[in-house]
Amino acid sequence: SAVISQKPSRDICQRGTSLTIQCQVDSQVTMMFWYRQQPGQSLTLIATANQGSEATYESGFVIDKFPISRPNLTFSTLTVSNMSPEDSSIYLCSVEARDSGTEAFFGQGTRLTVV
Amino acid sequence: EDQVTQSPEALRLQEGESSSLNCSYTVSGLRGLFWYRQDPGKGPEFLFTLYSAGEEKEKERLKATLTKKESFLHITAPKPEDSATYLCAVQGNAGNMLTFGGGTRLMVKP
Repeated sequence: SAVISQKPSRDICQRGTSLTIQCQVDSQVTMMFWYRQQPGQSLTLIATANQGSEATYESGFVIDKFPISRPNLTFSTLTVSNMSPEDSSIYLCSVEARDSGTEAFFGQGTRLTVV
Repeated sequence: EDQVTQSPEALRLQEGESSSLNCSYTVSGLRGLFWYRQDPGKGPEFLFTLYSAGEEKEKERLKATLTKKESFLHITAPKPEDSATYLCAVQGNAGNMLTFGGGTRLMVKP
C-alpha cells in the first residue's frame, strides 16, 4: 500500500486569498488525483496530475482556479485560488497502486474553511 | 457517463445485527469496483477492489460481493467501531479516475 501525506491538514482562509495543498507519496506513482468533498457529500474528481505534463481537469474545474503542479513521481500540489466561501471543502489527494491488481489510496485530506 | 448509487443513505444497527449495504452502478467497461470506509474528518480508507461478477472479498466482519449491476457490502455482527461512512466507487474504461456514490452512513449502537 502507499502512504500519502497531505499538508496542511486544515486551514481557515480569508476570501480572495489562495492556499496551496501539498501531497507527498512514499513511493513513485504515475498518476495522482485531486478530489473535492463538499460538506455532507461524496467525492468529486477535480483533476488528474501526471508527471511531465499538464493536469487534466474534469468538467466544472479550470486551471486558473485550481492550478496543479507535479514536479516528480512522488509529489504534487493543488492551489485553490481567489477563494470564496463556496470553496470550503475537504480536498483529497489520491494515488493508484498496482501491486496485485488496482488499489487507490487517499491522503487524510485538507479541511479548508473560507471566511 | 459512469454512475454510482448507494443505498440506504443512512443505516442504524444494534451491535451484532448483521446487514448489507448496496451499491448500484452503470459503467462503460468495469475495470474495478472499490469500497472505502471514511471516518469523520479523515480521508477514505481502502477496503476492497472487485474486478468481475461473482467475485467476493472478505476482511474481518466485512464481505464484498459483485454482480454485473451492483455490489453489496455485508457486515456480520457489527460493532460500534464499525460506525463510519462507507463509500463505493467504480473505475471504467474511460479513464483511471474513480466515480463515487453518495455513501452510506452506518451507525452501530452498543
